[in-house]
Amino acid sequence: KNEVEQSPQNLTAQEGEFITINCSYSVGISALHWLQQHPGGGIVSLFMLSSGKKKHGRLIATINIQEKHSSLHITASHPRDSAVYICAVPTNFGNEKLTFGTGTRLTIIP
Amino acid sequence: DAGVIQSPRHEVTEMGQEVTLRCKPISGHNSLFWYRQTMMRGLELLIYFNNNVPIDDSGMPEDRFSAKMPNASFSTLKIQPSEPRDSAVYFCASSLVWDRDSYEQYFGPGTRLTVT
Repeated sequence: KNEVEQSPQNLTAQEGEFITINCSYSVGISALHWLQQHPGGGIVSLFMLSSGKKKHGRLIATINIQEKHSSLHITASHPRDSAVYICAVPTNFGNEKLTFGTGTRLTIIP
Repeated sequence: DAGVIQSPRHEVTEMGQEVTLRCKPISGHNSLFWYRQTMMRGLELLIYFNNNVPIDDSGMPEDRFSAKMPNASFSTLKIQPSEPRDSAVYFCASSLVWDRDSYEQYFGPGTRLTVT
């Protein structure tokens, strides 16, 4: 069964700073998910990636399958990026069932 | 598309009462997931369905919880009898699984359940 660790748990930064959130997992996977949970509680899927890098606006996600590690980067951070970012991986390889990290609470100060 | 629809958005009930949460997945999606989120345990999968069939219910806490998916456009999660420790936000999500690497999940807004 996959174990997921995220770091840091909490991150506070100034507007404009480059942000990195890390996720490590223990068992080989087919794809990794990054989710964003807004202060109001809604959850949005940001990325699902199985190799390399994906970019969407100011968000970049990378994954290293060999090292079982993924990073989520935010460039030119903005207060509206303040949210909890959650990493999730299949509980078992090739499975739809996801195991979630505990999340990283990001606060961007104007 | 309206996205995943959940109702009610908020539910306050007394211990011992039956609670029914409802979910309408995105049209055309073939998998549906029920999650529970608490401060202590984070997000946990309770049960998921594929083509209306329950595939994995190992996350269902106990017999007080039951879930059904009578058709592709509707699912319910029932708690009977409810207890204060069931207080949480319950999310429904759906996805279209067309191969093993393509199962991005779309989440509903959640139902905040408070059991007093």
